[in-house]
Amino acid sequence: KNEVEQSPQNLTAQEGEFITINCSYSVGISALHWLQQHPGGGIVSLFMLSSGKKKHGRLIATINIQEKHSSLHITASHPRDSAVYICAVPGPYSGGSNYKLTFGKGTLLTVNP
Amino acid sequence: NAGVTQTPKFQVLKTGQSMTLQCAQDMNHEYMSWYRQDPGMGLRLIHYSVGAGITDQGEVPNGYNVSRSTTEDFPLRLLSAAPSQTSVYFCASTWGGTQYFGPGTRLLVL
Repeated sequence: KNEVEQSPQNLTAQEGEFITINCSYSVGISALHWLQQHPGGGIVSLFMLSSGKKKHGRLIATINIQEKHSSLHITASHPRDSAVYICAVPGPYSGGSNYKLTFGKGTLLTVNP
Repeated sequence: NAGVTQTPKFQVLKTGQSMTLQCAQDMNHEYMSWYRQDPGMGLRLIHYSVGAGITDQGEVPNGYNVSRSTTEDFPLRLLSAAPSQTSVYFCASTWGGTQYFGPGTRLLVL
C-alpha cells in the first residue's frame, strides 16, 4: 500500500508569510495530486504533477520523484488561503492510474490577518 | 455546467434503514467515484466506475452498493445503515487526471 504522510498536520501563519506543506509517499508513482478543502467542505483540485514544478498564481507545487517527496508552497499568504491542503497519489492496484487515489490526512492551514 | 451535484446535503438515518445518495455530473466524464471522509483520516475510496455499466470496489466497499446505468448518474446505496457509516460522502468525476468533487453529503446514522 502506498502510504502518504503530510507534514505539518496543523500550520498557523501570519498574513504575508511564505508557507510550505510537505508530502511524502512510500511507493514510486506516476503523478501526485494536491487538493484544497475549503472550510465549508468543498474540495478543489489544485495540481497534478509528475516532475519538476508547477505554478498557479501564488501557489507552487514541486516534486522530487527520486526522494518520493512533494511540497506545496504559498507565497504572500492571505487569510483566504485558510483551508485543508491534501496530497494524493495513485493507490494500490491502480496500475499507476490517476483515477484510484490514496489520500493523505491533510494539513490544516490557518492564516491570520 | 452544474459540475458534480449531490443530494441530499444532510441526512439522518436510524440503524438498519436503507437509503440512496445521489450523484450526477454534466461534464460527460467516464470515470466517477465515491469517497467517504472521516475525522483524522484521509478520503477513502468506496466504489468507482470507469463508464456506464462498469463498476468496481475501492478500499472500503462493505455495506455499499453502486450502479452506473448512464454516464451522468452514479448513485450510492446504503443497504442497512450502521453507525460506522456516519461520515461525509463525496462523489467525484475525473477527466485528464483532474478530480471534480461534489459538495458532499453529511450522513448521521443513529
